[in-house]
Order: sequence, then C-alpha cells, then structure tokens
Amino acid sequence: KQEVTQIPAALSVPEGENLVLNCSFTDSAIYNLQWFRQDPGKGLTSLLLIQSSQREQTSGRLNASLDKSSGRSTLYIAASQPGDSATYLCAVKDNNAGNMLTFGGGTRLMVKP
Amino acid sequence: DAGVIQSPRHEVTEMGQEVTLRCKPISGHNSLFWYRQTMMRGLELLIYFNNNVPIDDSGMPEDRFSAKMPNASFSTLKIQPSEPRDSAVYFCASSSLSGSGSETQYFGPGTRLLVL
Repeated sequence: KQEVTQIPAALSVPEGENLVLNCSFTDSAIYNLQWFRQDPGKGLTSLLLIQSSQREQTSGRLNASLDKSSGRSTLYIAASQPGDSATYLCAVKDNNAGNMLTFGGGTRLMVKP
Repeated sequence: DAGVIQSPRHEVTEMGQEVTLRCKPISGHNSLFWYRQTMMRGLELLIYFNNNVPIDDSGMPEDRFSAKMPNASFSTLKIQPSEPRDSAVYFCASSSLSGSGSETQYFGPGTRLLVL
C-alpha cells in the first residue's frame, strides 16, 4: 500500500527566504505526483503536476522535482512571501490505483513579514 | 464555471441524527471523489465514482456511511446515524478521465461537520 510522508510538518521562515518542502513515497510505480495548496478553511488547489516520465515542473516561483527511483519529490519556493503561507500537500497517483490519489499529511508553512 | 459546489458549508447536528452532504461537480467531469479531513488522520479518500458508478468505496468507515451519484451533476454523502467521531471537514472533488496523465482533481470548499 502506498504511503506518502511529508517533512517537516510545519515550517516558519522570514520573508524572502528560499525554501524546500519534502515529500517521500514508498511505492515508485507511480503515474504522476501533484503538489496542492490549502488555505485555512478552504479546499485544495493544484499547483503543479509531474508525470512519471518527467523530472520537474515549474510555475512562477515554484519548482517541483521528482525522483521516482528514490521515491522523493521536492517543492522549491523561491523568494517566499507572506501570501505563500498555507498548507502544502503532495499526492501520488499509482499506476494500478485507477483515479485515486494518496495524500501526504502536508507541511504547514508560515512566511513572516 | 463555478467550480465544485458543496452544500451545506457548515453543519451542526446532534448524535444520532441523519446528515446529508451534497456535491455538484464541474460540468463535463466524469470522476467524483469524497474525502474526509481531520487533524489526526489528514485527508482520507472515502469513495470515488467514474461515470456515476462507484469504483472504490474501501475508504468508507462503516455502514453508517453511504454515497450516491444518481446523475453526472449531483452526488450525496449520507451519514446515518451520525456520531461525534464523524466530526470533520468533508470535501468533494471532481476530475476528467482524459487518459493524458495530466488530470488534476478540483476540490470544493468543503462541508465542516460538527456532531455533538
């Protein structure tokens, strides 16, 4: 059974700092991996999706990488801003899991002005 | 498009009462998912449908929980009877089955349920 772990569970950084969020998964037979953002009291919004054949995806100040063989993904946020404060979740779609996603527990990020 | 619509947004009920949560997926999407989120257990998939047919309900906690999707634009999640441990935020999400590998799930705002 796929298990997704995110470390750290919480992170507090000063504004302007570059930071890395980590995600690891136990079964490397994945179809794709996604990073989501969740603001307090809201639903999840997809940020980046990396297909199994890809190594990374970029959107603005966000860069997500994928290393299937080691079961790891990172989300890099450049020049962090207070508006980046949210919980970030990674989710994996397995090859044999139909349309299901397995989510990590999330990293709660606070960017201080 | 208005996105995934869920109702009610908040529900407070007493133990033993029936609770019905509703979801309208994005038009044209043919997969629908029900999730539950708690501090202790994080985000858990309860059940999902493809083309209105339940595909995997292994995440449904027990027989008190049931879900239906009578048509492509509406789904319900029912809890009967409700218990305090059912208190959580329930999310509905939808996606399309394009087969391209780039389908993402679009989440609704959630229903915050409190069972007293």
